[in-house]
Amino acid sequence: NAGVTQTPKFQVLKTGQSMTLQCAQDMNHNSMYWYRQDPGMGLRLIYYSASEGTTDKGEVPNGYNVSRLNKREFSLRLESAAPSQTSVYFCASSEAGYGYTFGSGTRLTVV
Amino acid sequence: AQSVTQPDIHITVSEGASLELRCNYSYGATPYLFWYVQSPGQGLQLLLKYFSGDTLVQGIKGFEAEFKRSQSSFNLRKPSVHWSDAAEYFCAVVLYNNNDMRFGAGTRLTVKP
Repeated sequence: NAGVTQTPKFQVLKTGQSMTLQCAQDMNHNSMYWYRQDPGMGLRLIYYSASEGTTDKGEVPNGYNVSRLNKREFSLRLESAAPSQTSVYFCASSEAGYGYTFGSGTRLTVV
Repeated sequence: AQSVTQPDIHITVSEGASLELRCNYSYGATPYLFWYVQSPGQGLQLLLKYFSGDTLVQGIKGFEAEFKRSQSSFNLRKPSVHWSDAAEYFCAVVLYNNNDMRFGAGTRLTVKP
């Protein structure tokens, strides 16, 4: 009964470092998403994957890359972290775009 | 432009009082509508959703929401607030067969004893 699992939960990076945020779901959902949450701005979509093998840009894709490794896993990569990427990142999954299930988030600080 | 607006950034209510959180959307067609709740340090939990049909929908934890097409609104209500309802609430919309769910900026609810 895990739902959506994100790792790590917390991370501190130096400017210019790279890292990958991992996300896995066990609900056999086709669609997966990466959002970032910043104070006063709600959640903004970075990238999504409507099905295994496909990815598309969302509202704020610059500075990020994604990989849909298989149906279960969808990773988000920061190639060269910047302070503007300090945020809380949420992964979600859904079936046919109805009622997303969210992970518990990754709190990322870039110094 | 498509948008979701939650006009109230922060609301404070007394425990036992009624609650209404506002949400307005601006889309060309009627989207699917959702309310989520987020407790501090947690992910988002789905409270309720509207796809079609009866415009008054019931959700978990005693919440309900009413869809009003003429006002492009989907306001969340609860008759009697409990201290455990203190959290941030997000309205969200998505068009059918579209994977781009958009969120409002959120309303933070404080509950006074």
